[in-house]
Amino acid sequence: DVKVTQSSRYLVKRTGEKVFLECVQDMDHENMFWYRQDPGLGLRLIYFSYDVKMKEKGDIPEGYSVSREKKERFSLILESASTNQTSMYLCASSFEGFSYEQYFGPGTRLTVT
Amino acid sequence: DAKTTQPPSMDCAEGRAANLPCNHSTISGNEYVYWYRQIHSQGPQYIIHGLKNNETNEMASLIITEDRKSSTLILPHATLRDTAVYYCIVRVASSGAGSYQLTFGKGTKLSVIP
Repeated sequence: DVKVTQSSRYLVKRTGEKVFLECVQDMDHENMFWYRQDPGLGLRLIYFSYDVKMKEKGDIPEGYSVSREKKERFSLILESASTNQTSMYLCASSFEGFSYEQYFGPGTRLTVT
Repeated sequence: DAKTTQPPSMDCAEGRAANLPCNHSTISGNEYVYWYRQIHSQGPQYIIHGLKNNETNEMASLIITEDRKSSTLILPHATLRDTAVYYCIVRVASSGAGSYQLTFGKGTKLSVIP
């Protein structure tokens, strides 16, 4: 079974803190993705990566950065957390190629106070 | 990517077939139809996808109309564990980094009733 794991299920941070969300996949997938999910807005893509050290902006990259130093690991960084970044964050991975399904992690519910 | 329209909610009796419709009237010839679901407090889960022909796997069947403007996901024998939000996604089949994005709408909340 494909496994996508995320470092925390729940996280509480203060405004202005630097936040790291980690995602690891064990299926040697080339592509990795970070989404956020908010009530009434569905899932929105923040960033994705199609190879080590490669990244592309999604729909809502502002306030976020990413890092992919190893194929299996994709990190989402909030340089200075703000209350409007309180959300559910979902990581996903897939094989190279448009037709492959994306496998999602369990999500991290981040609260910024 | 083409826009999809799904009913916001549906009920289904346990053990019966659940038929979830999706309208994608502006779909173009190179766009696939994907279905994912999200059980409460979990990440989305891939179910099935197709281009023109009907598809079946161990989870579900996908019926796509001949004009490709709509499709139906069928869960043949719904169980309580199938209660979830089901998302129909239409996605262009092209190469390149920008083609991998999935755009999730609001989906259909399926409630399986005992």
